[in-house]
Amino acid sequence: GENVEQHPSTLSVQEGDSAVIKCTYSDSASNYFPWYKQELGKRPQLIIDIRSNVGEKKDQRIAVTLNKTAKHFSLHITETQPEDSAVYFCAASLGPGGYQKVTFGTGTKLQVIP
Amino acid sequence: DVKVTQSSRYLVKRTGEKVFLECVQDMDHENMFWYRQDPGLGLRLIYFSYDVKMKEKGDIPEGYSVSREKKERFSLILESASTNQTSMYLCASSRLAGSNTGELFFGEGSRLTVL
Repeated sequence: GENVEQHPSTLSVQEGDSAVIKCTYSDSASNYFPWYKQELGKRPQLIIDIRSNVGEKKDQRIAVTLNKTAKHFSLHITETQPEDSAVYFCAASLGPGGYQKVTFGTGTKLQVIP
Repeated sequence: DVKVTQSSRYLVKRTGEKVFLECVQDMDHENMFWYRQDPGLGLRLIYFSYDVKMKEKGDIPEGYSVSREKKERFSLILESASTNQTSMYLCASSRLAGSNTGELFFGEGSRLTVL
């Protein structure tokens, strides 16, 4: 089955700096890669996703890049703010939609220091 | 707004007890999932279902079973709870087809403690 590895497990940055979280996946058939943000005590929520036919996607201060050949994808957050502090999970699936099993990474706890 | 509701936020059970965790979604989603969340281990898939009465094992199904008798409801069952099943359990749902995103909508979680 699919295996998703995520690094680092914790990340501290100064407010205004950039943060990068990296993930690798094992199943070359995976074609959908979402990122979820979980604030303390709350449910995970989708913040951005990318499909395997796209190399990069941006949404304001966040961007995701995908390298299918190397089977890795990354989340980039620029101009970090205290409200970006949360746990971030990457995931991979044979999706979107359809018969999908979503496999998550182990999470990265991001702390933005004011 | 999609709403995924888990029946219990906090439960305390004793070893050997049978435990039911209920999840209801109101968006007519075909897919439903049960994950457990443990520190350092992320979200691990226990079971998922893509249709009524259908179920598929996830990565850690041992010690668990599920039931999906109605489209909106997906139940997780611990036949005989053990201390290593102490965890946060998250239910999620998503659309099967006709969507350009595979977004999972999560419930608020059920924190289970087995003594």
